[in-house]
Amino acid sequence: DQQVKQNSPSLSVQEGRISILNCDYTNSMFDYFLWYKKYPAEGPTFLISISSIKDKNEDGRFTVFLNKSAKHLSLHIVPSQPGDSAVYFCAAIFRYTGGGNKLTFGTGTQLKVEL
Amino acid sequence: GAVVSQHPSRVICKSGTSVKIECRSLDFQATTMFWYRQFPKQSLMLMATSNEGSKATYEQGVEKDKFLINHASLTLSTLTVTSAHPEDSSFYICSARTGTVYGYTFGSGTRLTVV
Repeated sequence: DQQVKQNSPSLSVQEGRISILNCDYTNSMFDYFLWYKKYPAEGPTFLISISSIKDKNEDGRFTVFLNKSAKHLSLHIVPSQPGDSAVYFCAAIFRYTGGGNKLTFGTGTQLKVEL
Repeated sequence: GAVVSQHPSRVICKSGTSVKIECRSLDFQATTMFWYRQFPKQSLMLMATSNEGSKATYEQGVEKDKFLINHASLTLSTLTVTSAHPEDSSFYICSARTGTVYGYTFGSGTRLTVV
């Protein structure tokens, strides 16, 4: 049961243009969302996050939008650079009884930024 | 920032042998560490949560006798794949929470190949 889905396995964008990566989730109990960037044979590195009480968070070239009613979030990268080429994972956090929380990853989108 | 060091980065072992993967938190104490597994072109799947000084909590479908987790100190967690088989070949990644409720730092991963 994939609770966090990224329906586009790959995306190709020209340098300087906007990259939009999408993510959908099913569990309404998720209350925090994160985007990670991952290169082959490396661990994910944190990019940007958003709380469920917000609908937008911006950090430099990266902006995350959250639409709670649609259970959808997106990551915008503008302008896209060749160094942005990597696999991007969205992830969602669910806080369970006892104070712990659990991170659930999406399926990933391979972004390729072309010159 | 917080760093999680994971070793080895790559290991090849014979079928039937055991392999140990180490995950260390540098410059911070990690009471909880998480172990993930990633198959090619798939998401990172949480295998288990290890808590310092207590038994690990395994996700549904993960064999606890096959994937032994030890978290004997606040800076070290180990995952031992026992009696490895070719189907255990995968990319294993650890992570630790870094103080903030939603902060996670990941190790660089271990590529396990069982021949």
